[in-house]
Amino acid sequence: NAGVTQTPKFRILKIGQSMTLQCTQDMNHNYMYWYRQDPGMGLKLIYYSVGAGITDKGEVPNGYNVSRSTTEDFPLRLELAAPSQTSVYFCASSYPTSGDHSYEQYFGPGTRLTVT
Amino acid sequence: KQEVTQIPAALSVPEGENLVLNCSFTDSAIYNLQWFRQDPGKGLTSLLLIQSSQREQTSGRLNASLDKSSGRSTLYIAASQPGDSATYLCAVRYNYQLIWGAGTKLIIKP
Repeated sequence: NAGVTQTPKFRILKIGQSMTLQCTQDMNHNYMYWYRQDPGMGLKLIYYSVGAGITDKGEVPNGYNVSRSTTEDFPLRLELAAPSQTSVYFCASSYPTSGDHSYEQYFGPGTRLTVT
Repeated sequence: KQEVTQIPAALSVPEGENLVLNCSFTDSAIYNLQWFRQDPGKGLTSLLLIQSSQREQTSGRLNASLDKSSGRSTLYIAASQPGDSATYLCAVRYNYQLIWGAGTKLIIKP
């Protein structure tokens, strides 16, 4: 299994441009998440999804959109990029089983985005 | 408001020492708590997950404890090695969302 994969690894955007961050998982996890991590900070939840066709806002959703048309893919769309969106973006997935590892989240390697 | 705090923000110790990292949370109605390791420029690796009904979990030289009533968790690292140098993040699960601490940056000096 590849686990959670993210593309691209790095990207520089100009203010006002748009882009899509890709996230794919091959573990058949129902739950998927997008986080951002600013320097010296913990992660903040942008959006999450509990299954195909279902998405919901997290703590910091403004300026972002998501879709979940399949179990495997959970792309994050940035519209009209702003310098405040300069951050490292992590995608994660988990499965809601019972037991010791319920909802344990598995992370992709991250996308480092700079908006100038 | 649900908040997670990690103290200290940074720690530097000589190789071979045992050390403790701290994590506190304001809302004790947690489902579980996870400790992660993050290497510079890399993703996150899950180290230990403790369910709300458990008191501790162990993996090799790592031991994580949980005291839900006082809103605290500790990560104990025995016989530290330079390869343990990284940022350690604590995350608390409420429903299916994680609330994160800002991390403790650990440096182990050879």
